[in-house]
Amino acid sequence: GENVEQHPSTLSVQEGDSAVIKCTYSDSASNYFPWYKQELGKGPQLIIDIRSNVGEKKDQRIAVTLNKTAKHFSLHITETQPEDSAVYFCAASTSGTYKYIFGTGTRLKVLA
Amino acid sequence: SQTIHQWPATLVQPVGSPLSLECTVEGTSNPNLYWYRQAAGRGLQLLFYSVGIGQISSEVPQNLSASRPQDRQFILSSKKLLLSDSGFYLCAWSPPGAGASGEQFFGPGTRLTVL
Repeated sequence: GENVEQHPSTLSVQEGDSAVIKCTYSDSASNYFPWYKQELGKGPQLIIDIRSNVGEKKDQRIAVTLNKTAKHFSLHITETQPEDSAVYFCAASTSGTYKYIFGTGTRLKVLA
Repeated sequence: SQTIHQWPATLVQPVGSPLSLECTVEGTSNPNLYWYRQAAGRGLQLLFYSVGIGQISSEVPQNLSASRPQDRQFILSSKKLLLSDSGFYLCAWSPPGAGASGEQFFGPGTRLTVL
């Protein structure tokens, strides 16, 4: 079945630096790739997503890139701020399956 | 606007006791509904999903069950809890017909501790 690997599991950066989180997926039929941010004790919230017909998408300080050939996608956060500290999850899904396969998460710490 | 509610927020139960967690969605009709479990420091594991009333798909064999008695109500149950059932349980919904190609919206979660 579909598998999503996410790296690193923890990431510490200085405030103002960039953070990059990478995910790889196994099912070439996957066509939707959301990224979620989860703060302590809360449910995950979507921060950005990308579909397989697009190579890159940007929303202010957050961007996601997708390489369909290599089956990997990445989250880029620029000018990090302390409020970016959270656990980030990537996911992959295929139209019609109703299922997301989530990565294992990355705990990002932004040091002031 | 749509909102999703889960209760209780926290729950401490003894081993062998029953469980009932409830999730309701407001502001939409015929949503796809999901139950996930998140173990401490781990990712999200899909337990059940439903595309309509009375339709439940199970992803992982376990001592849990799910039911959808009403369009916007999703219930997670167990007859006898195990220690391994401890975790953070999340309910989510997505628009009807979107399959997995649309956003899933998560509830606030229920933290279950089985002692």
